Amino acid sequence: KAGVTQTPRYLIKTRGQQVTLSCSPISGHRSVSWYQQTPGQGLQFLFEYFSETQRNKGNFPGRFSGRQFSNSRSEMNVSTLELGDSALYLCASSLLPDTGELFFGEGSRLTVL
Amino acid sequence: AQSVSQHNHHVILSEAASLELGCNYSYGGTVNLFWYVQYPGQHLQLLLKYFSGDPLVKGIKGFEAEFIKSKFSFNLRKPSVQWSDTAEYFCAVTYKAAGNKLTFGGGTRVLVKP
Repeated sequence: KAGVTQTPRYLIKTRGQQVTLSCSPISGHRSVSWYQQTPGQGLQFLFEYFSETQRNKGNFPGRFSGRQFSNSRSEMNVSTLELGDSALYLCASSLLPDTGELFFGEGSRLTVL
Repeated sequence: AQSVSQHNHHVILSEAASLELGCNYSYGGTVNLFWYVQYPGQHLQLLLKYFSGDPLVKGIKGFEAEFIKSKFSFNLRKPSVQWSDTAEYFCAVTYKAAGNKLTFGGGTRVLVKP
């Protein structure tokens, strides 16, 4: 079956703009998590959604937000982009939350100029 | 705050050598432990997991890990590596007290020379 699909794969934005990233989980998976990956900070947890509800949130400013739709697809949004937001944003899905057994997508690479 | 530490950032080995990657986590009560791997150009994937029971767990591709509760450690081992084991390895922990979100270590890049 198809894996986790993230779009777009690559994007370039300028400071002050906003961006929306999309994630389609594996069919049947109802939990979606988002991570930011950078060379300096590694993998940092952003948030987790299950049944359209945010269950967990990492230590990121309010500029980072997300949501989940009834079909389990998820989006994350970053407003007022800063240079430091340049990163690989990874989406992961699982059948249920709390398992730790995540299936990752290939990520959306965001470059902020 | 809960944290996960991986001792080595980079490891270089020759084929057939043994591999051991260290992982320590901060105390936080009930935990589940994982190793994930990212091969070059591929997405992160689960290598093995520990929830409870036998502290020695076996994963895919000949990898195993040992949970030592008294040392808060979950080290990854492979007796004889292959060139195809070149990858970045991430230790990860879920802390029940923190809502079971998955916390990753900084990763260890392993290069296996043919």
